[in-house]
Amino acid sequence: GAVVSQHPSWVICKSGTSVKIECRSLDFQATTMFWYRQFPKQSLMLMATSNEGSKATYEQGVEKDKFLINHASLTLSTLTVTSAHPEDSSFYICSARDDRRPGNTIYFGEGSWLTVV
Amino acid sequence: QQPVQSPQAVILREGEDAVINCSSSKALYSVHWYRQKHGEAPVFLMILLKGGEQKGHDKISASFNEKKQQSSLYLTASQLSYSGTYFCGTGGGADGLTFGKGTHLIIQP
Repeated sequence: GAVVSQHPSWVICKSGTSVKIECRSLDFQATTMFWYRQFPKQSLMLMATSNEGSKATYEQGVEKDKFLINHASLTLSTLTVTSAHPEDSSFYICSARDDRRPGNTIYFGEGSWLTVV
Repeated sequence: QQPVQSPQAVILREGEDAVINCSSSKALYSVHWYRQKHGEAPVFLMILLKGGEQKGHDKISASFNEKKQQSSLYLTASQLSYSGTYFCGTGGGADGLTFGKGTHLIIQP
């Protein structure tokens, strides 16, 4: 079964509004979670690294004020897309690092389809 | 630096074998392999941690040549369920994985 759960699976929002996506590690504590974005027929692009109890680290070109990340507990990280625009429509996927596993195996959530209209 | 995957796509008949390659211009310390079905999130296949390591799961195996900075994924006697896009990821640890562009695998009956 899934070890990383993501919610919602899909969401439609109006342009200018904000939407929050949750990522939970189900049977392990994850001090580090990662947020990716994937456009159709493209690879996964790392957006940011979410660290429990500290600020997220954003990849170059990703606006930290637009994509707010909060990692409030060892099992939960949230991504909030603020003032969403149609170009933000994408597949957002979180992943969590399982420090118990060799090489710190990274598991992905089910992904969230965001459509901004 | 994004790893390079080859081929970009491959079409097989059920029962045939395939090899997917992943190479990097940077030193590799680990290679992670995932398979993604259309509209779904990537599913972890295996991780290789050191040069010379080989792993297998069912009829899917992989090798890691640390010196050549490359890894290969081997699919033997492919099944219809193997269809999807295969990604190799490098990095990990404190950093997130950097994925290649993916290899699209289509298995025909």
